[in-house]
Amino acid sequence: GDSVTQMEGPVTLSEEAFLTINCTYTATGYPSLFWYVQYPGEGLQLLLKATKADDKGSNKGFEATYRKETTSFHLEKGSVQVSDSAVYFCALTSNSGYALNFGKGTSLLVTP
Amino acid sequence: GAVVSQHPSRVICKSGTSVKIECRSLDFQATTMFWYRQFPKQSLMLMATSNEGSKATYEQGVEKDKFLINHASLTLSTLTVTSAHPEDSSFYICSARDPREDVYNEQFFGPGTRLTVL
Repeated sequence: GDSVTQMEGPVTLSEEAFLTINCTYTATGYPSLFWYVQYPGEGLQLLLKATKADDKGSNKGFEATYRKETTSFHLEKGSVQVSDSAVYFCALTSNSGYALNFGKGTSLLVTP
Repeated sequence: GAVVSQHPSRVICKSGTSVKIECRSLDFQATTMFWYRQFPKQSLMLMATSNEGSKATYEQGVEKDKFLINHASLTLSTLTVTSAHPEDSSFYICSARDPREDVYNEQFFGPGTRLTVL
């Protein structure tokens, strides 16, 4: 079945450091790919998305490119801020349904 | 963007009682809603898919009689945890699919409900 694997956390970075959170997936067909963010004590918010190969999703300085050849959707940001501290979830929906299949989440802590 | 609300945000109950959690789509009609459960520092696990006017589809391992789901209208789905026990304590999150966003398969999430069973 479909699955998402993302790098284990926690990830601790200094402010203004470069961020990469790896995400790879297994799916049949052509899934849509998402990154969700969960700030402490809050629900999930969509960060960015991509619906087909080579699409690049971007929002708030974060980017991720849908790479079909490597089945990856790595999240990147050039300069993180303390306010980016949160848990980040990679997810997909298959083209046969709408339920989201989540990775285990990666906790990010950015220190001043 | 589309807004989904949940009520209550937190609930504490005694073991053996039942608890109802509501999930509402505020500015769109949601033909499909989803219920997830999140354990501390873990990912979201899909419990069931709720379609308006029909029975919910439960994931393997989720007890239908334990977690009753009703999707009576296009803007409301409810999850009732029956005869709750401490092991049911968790963070329950609903999401709704906006049919207008079909091309992206995007879901919009509620803020979650923290259930604590004493």
